[in-house]
Parts: sequence; C-alpha cells; structure tokens
Amino acid sequence: TQLLEQSPQFLSIQEGENLTVYCNSSSVFSSLQWYRQEPGEGPVLLVTVVTGGEVKKLKRLTFQFGDARKDSSLHITAAQPGDTGLYLCAGPNTGGFKTIFGAGTRLFVKA
Amino acid sequence: GAGVSQSPSNKVTEKGKDVELRCDPISGHTALYWYRQSLGQGLEFLIYFQGNSAPDKSGLPSDRFSAERTGGSVSTLTIQRTQQEDSAVYLCASLTPNTEAFFGQGTRLTVV
Repeated sequence: TQLLEQSPQFLSIQEGENLTVYCNSSSVFSSLQWYRQEPGEGPVLLVTVVTGGEVKKLKRLTFQFGDARKDSSLHITAAQPGDTGLYLCAGPNTGGFKTIFGAGTRLFVKA
Repeated sequence: GAGVSQSPSNKVTEKGKDVELRCDPISGHTALYWYRQSLGQGLEFLIYFQGNSAPDKSGLPSDRFSAERTGGSVSTLTIQRTQQEDSAVYLCASLTPNTEAFFGQGTRLTVV
C-alpha cells in the first residue's frame, strides 16, 4: 500500500519566520501535488511537481520533488498569518487511477 | 459552473434520519472522489468513481453509506440511519486527467 507521511503534524510559528514541511513515502510517485486548506474551505491545489529534483516557486513558497520521486518538501519564507492552514500532499497510486493524500501539516502563523 | 459545487452547505439532522449530499463536479472531469473530514483532522477517503468503471467503495465506513454517480456527472452520497459519529465535513473532488483535484467547499453535517 502506498502511503504519504507528512511531518510535522502541527507547526505554530511567529510571523516572519521560515519553515519547511515534508512529505515522504517509501514508494515512487509519478507526480506529487501540494494543497492548502483554509478553515471552512475545501483544499486548493498549489502546485504539481513531476520531475525528480524539480523545484517550483510560488511567491514565498518553494516546492521540491526528491531526486528519487519518493519525497517532497514545501518551504515558506517569511511566513504570514495568511499562510495559516492545513497543507496536504497527494499523489496518484501506481496504477494512476487513485489519488492518495497525506494526513497533512497544520500550520498556524501568529501575528 | 466553473468549480465543484456541493449542496447543501450545512445540514443538521436528527439521529436515525437519512441524508443525501450532492456533488456537481467540473464538466468533463471523469474522476470523482468523496472524502470525510472530522474537525481538525485530515481527509478520510470514502469512495472513488472513474468513468464507467465500478466505483472503489473501499473507504465507506459501514453499509449505511452509499454513493452513486448518474450519467458520469452528478454524484449523491447517502447516509442512512445517521449516527452522531457521522458528524463531519463531507468533501467532494473532481479530478483532471493529470489527477489534480478540485474540491467543493464541502457539506457540514451535524447529527443531533
């Protein structure tokens, strides 16, 4: 069974700090996606990484896909209260027909 | 519509009653998922529809839960004889061929 493990489960930081959250698996994924879910809303897709070693930037967010395509990280620079939310990673299973979600990292940025 | 639409947005029901939750996916998306999310938790997979294939029902927690997808579009999740532990947000997502998920805003179900 393919699993995605996210760490840390919970993170509380001050505005302006940097942070990194991780998404790990023992299985290879053809791609991984990152989503952010704000309170009262459904998750929203942030980015998809496809190539091993790929780095994508979205303003203050930097996403990296591991060389072996078994892990990914999300780095946030100078976090802001608006970054508060649940960050989920997800990827298609081996057959490509079912999307697997990690349990998420819940981030709280204090002003 | 432009996005995934779920209705109702909120539902309060008495224990033992049946409820139906509706999901209108993005037109053209052949894959549709239902998830359940309890307060402060991650996503719990319930059921998955892909085109005309038989649905993957492996995540349904009991036989009180069922779902159908008519005409490859609208989906309905039905919970019979609701229990208090069924209280949660029920999220629907439709997926692009690249497995990128677009979620609705969810239905918040409260069983009293």
